Amino acid sequence: DAKTTQPNSMESNEEEPVHLPCNHSTISGTDYIHWYRQLPSQGPEYVIHGLTSNVNNRMASLAIAEDRKSSTLILHRATLRDAAVYYCILRGNNQAGTALIFGKGTTLSVSS
Amino acid sequence: DSGVTQTPKHLITATGQRVTLRCSPRSGDLSVYWYQQSLDQGLQFLIQYYNGEERAKGNILERFSAQQFPDLHSELNLSSLELGDSALYFCASSVGGVPDTQYFGPGTRLTVL
Repeated sequence: DAKTTQPNSMESNEEEPVHLPCNHSTISGTDYIHWYRQLPSQGPEYVIHGLTSNVNNRMASLAIAEDRKSSTLILHRATLRDAAVYYCILRGNNQAGTALIFGKGTTLSVSS
Repeated sequence: DSGVTQTPKHLITATGQRVTLRCSPRSGDLSVYWYQQSLDQGLQFLIQYYNGEERAKGNILERFSAQQFPDLHSELNLSSLELGDSALYFCASSVGGVPDTQYFGPGTRLTVL
């Protein structure tokens, strides 16, 4: 499986944008980039996914490098509720219906 | 609310005992996954069921077993419990296809004393 590298931790202030990086230099052409997050004492939740083009949804934006070897999850205005562990996960389209492989993720702290 | 329910929320038991954790997937989801999260191991996949059949196994101990019933709910059975089995156990469900988003339940916190 292609691996991802994320910083262990990041800090942000409330109402400021947050850019969470993920490196995946061995990504294959059919790998989707997924982001999940886990709030304290809760189960992981899906955030966003993309293949080649940048993606936006109500929670976040995903910016994918042109060579696809890295991506960035963007929270446009961090809130205290965004403090969580963020996981960047690659999944090939032949991996639909298989388990998610979680790394250590990035622990995001948000200060008021 | 993900639509996935898990019971009980907390479970405290003694070493050597057996417990059963229950998961009800989102309506329409055929796949159920079980994950274990401990402080030192992070989130690890245990086992997957699809429409009643075992689909894949991860790092599941022989003392652990699971099943998925005709109504698609699933149970994870943990036996001969050891202190090291203390962890959060999450169930997730998905409908399949691409991107196959998984929806996680709130988890069961198991404490083995």
